[in-house]
Amino acid sequence: KQEVTQIPAALSVPEGENLVLNCSFTDSAIYNLQWFRQDPGKGLTSLLLIQSSQREQTSGRLNASLDKSSGRSTLYIAASQPGDSATYLCAGGRSNDYKLSFGAGTTVTVRA
Amino acid sequence: DVKVTQSSRYLVKRTGEKVFLECVQDMDHENMFWYRQDPGLGLRLIYFSYDVKMKEKGDIPEGYSVSREKKERFSLILESASTNQTSMYLCASSLDGLNTEAFFGQGTRLTVV
Repeated sequence: KQEVTQIPAALSVPEGENLVLNCSFTDSAIYNLQWFRQDPGKGLTSLLLIQSSQREQTSGRLNASLDKSSGRSTLYIAASQPGDSATYLCAGGRSNDYKLSFGAGTTVTVRA
Repeated sequence: DVKVTQSSRYLVKRTGEKVFLECVQDMDHENMFWYRQDPGLGLRLIYFSYDVKMKEKGDIPEGYSVSREKKERFSLILESASTNQTSMYLCASSLDGLNTEAFFGQGTRLTVV
């Protein structure tokens, strides 16, 4: 079974600082890795999907990398803004399974 | 944009009631999923469906059933609601195949009293 860990559980930074969020997984046979954002009491919003054949994906201020050999993915958010305050979750899927395994998330607070 | 719509944002039901949670997606996705999310336990998969009338148990199917009569609609049924089913329920869909990008609905906060 794929185990996904996100450390730290919470992070507080001043506005303008770059954010680095970490995600580690136990099964190197990962098929893809997806990053989500969740606002309090809301559903999940897909941010980036990295296929196993890719090393990174970029969307605006967001960049996500995937290193299968070390079992890690990192989400970078450049020049953070108060509107980036949310919980960020990563989820990994295996090549022979429909299921996604989720990390517990990192709750980010960007201070104005 | 993909839209996944859950029928209710908030629901309050009594113990023993039969509860239906509805989910509709508008992008002709093959796969649909139901998760529940609880503090400290994260997201756990209840059931999923990879085709009309097809369903598979997830990690925590006990006390739940599902129905998928049409491709766009996936219903979660609590046969006899209990207080330990108080939770946030999240529906998701993805295009087809294994582990394509998943899109989530806005969530239903269910309280069983």
